[in-house]
Amino acid sequence: QSVLTQPPSVSGAPGQRVTISCTGSSSNIGAGYDVHWYQQLPGTAPRLLIYGNSNRPSGVPDRFSGSKSATPASLAITGLQAEDEGDYYCQSYDSSLSLYVFGTGTKVTVL
Amino acid sequence: QVQLQQSGPGLVKPSQTLSLTCAISGDTVSSNSATWNWIRLSPSRGLEWLGRTYYRSKWYSHYAVFVKSRITINPDTSRNQFSLEMKSVTPEDTGVYYCAGEHGGGWFDPWGQGTLVTVSA
Repeated sequence: QSVLTQPPSVSGAPGQRVTISCTGSSSNIGAGYDVHWYQQLPGTAPRLLIYGNSNRPSGVPDRFSGSKSATPASLAITGLQAEDEGDYYCQSYDSSLSLYVFGTGTKVTVL
Repeated sequence: QVQLQQSGPGLVKPSQTLSLTCAISGDTVSSNSATWNWIRLSPSRGLEWLGRTYYRSKWYSHYAVFVKSRITINPDTSRNQFSLEMKSVTPEDTGVYYCAGEHGGGWFDPWGQGTLVTVSA
């Protein structure tokens, strides 16, 4: 089961800013392991959105930003658009479990 | 641009073996800088990393503890692909299975298109 905790849902009007938190523990995010974020639009596979806490792959709009000071890490979406509706997952590594771990997932709804 | 294409059956009977394949284009399964992974998404358990295979002068495979006794991930260098076999499946193994590449930073990119596997008699 998911080791990293995210809010089940967040919502906002078009143009607004929303944030998604990702809370871990001392064996994953708190231990200094990087956090990565994925976007899963309906009917598609997850897509890398943010890597290494705050870096955007080529092609990802700068409306998406990630941060990690300790735990929780967070993903922010500014200028929310209808096409942003979907599920968002954080991911890191857990040293006590010796495996990659994911967040519980957050459904973003554009009102 | 690396792309992954999955294949395999979508229905498996309980106690039987689930088998999926992931074909790689734009990279090689024998790459010294990549790992090749299987990840599962289910309503009850969310996203779970199942395991990986990779080549660093020799072949390695690592599996998540909760499935370690039941799964095998193998490379196929002749076809430039890798496979997942999960034996003794139960309805709890129902979910969407994804293959994914990882290139040294701990994040997964790209992903295969996903295969919905239903375990049912």
